[in-house]
Amino acid sequence: DAGITQSPRYKITETGRQVTLMCHQTWSHSYMFWYRQDLGHGLRLIYYSAAADITDKGEVPDGYVVSRSKTENFPLTLESATRSQTSVYFCASSGGEGTGELFFGEGSRLTVL
Amino acid sequence: AQTVTQSQPEMSVQEAETVTLSCTYDTSESDYYLFWYKQPPSRQMILVIRQEAYKQQNATENRFSVNFQKAAKSFSLKISDSQLGDAAMYFCAYSLFGNQFYFGTGTSLTVIP
Repeated sequence: DAGITQSPRYKITETGRQVTLMCHQTWSHSYMFWYRQDLGHGLRLIYYSAAADITDKGEVPDGYVVSRSKTENFPLTLESATRSQTSVYFCASSGGEGTGELFFGEGSRLTVL
Repeated sequence: AQTVTQSQPEMSVQEAETVTLSCTYDTSESDYYLFWYKQPPSRQMILVIRQEAYKQQNATENRFSVNFQKAAKSFSLKISDSQLGDAAMYFCAYSLFGNQFYFGTGTSLTVIP
């Protein structure tokens, strides 16, 4: 099915472990984004990508790493998870300039113990 | 940096009544996009309505309409004939070119039967 999918939907890990959240979209959208959602903060941008091999920091990038070797994939890695990274993570995509709409994945709930 | 402010953390409405959710934003640009997204308990982010700043006419989608006041930088969402399924978190968002999106902190809407 066309769309944007995230995996895993739920993940529990321990402090210090590496975690990768996957994101795949089938629309060939040029722009992809990672947001985290926390109560009282809304959605905050972690990283975004304008195209394959082009990524840039958002508002809260510390502790996260992204890559985009293919247009359709945009994984987010927490290299050494901390409790403050417990959150719901959303991947999203957009066709870019002029299209004006952001399409979201279903979210990944990450708990760091 | 662009900012989006939702000053009502929580709102409630009686079923079949009308409710208005407030949003203000800060920008020096003249052309941009504004959005309202709905997040029900399922966590999925759903686009409710979109407004392009160059369009004078307020956007309408069935029971949902906006009051776009460009000079005041205000973008409120009116939900008419509220239904139980409208209960959700609502996020206001701003985008300049469709490649950067800024979100408010959200308004939690409760619909009272």
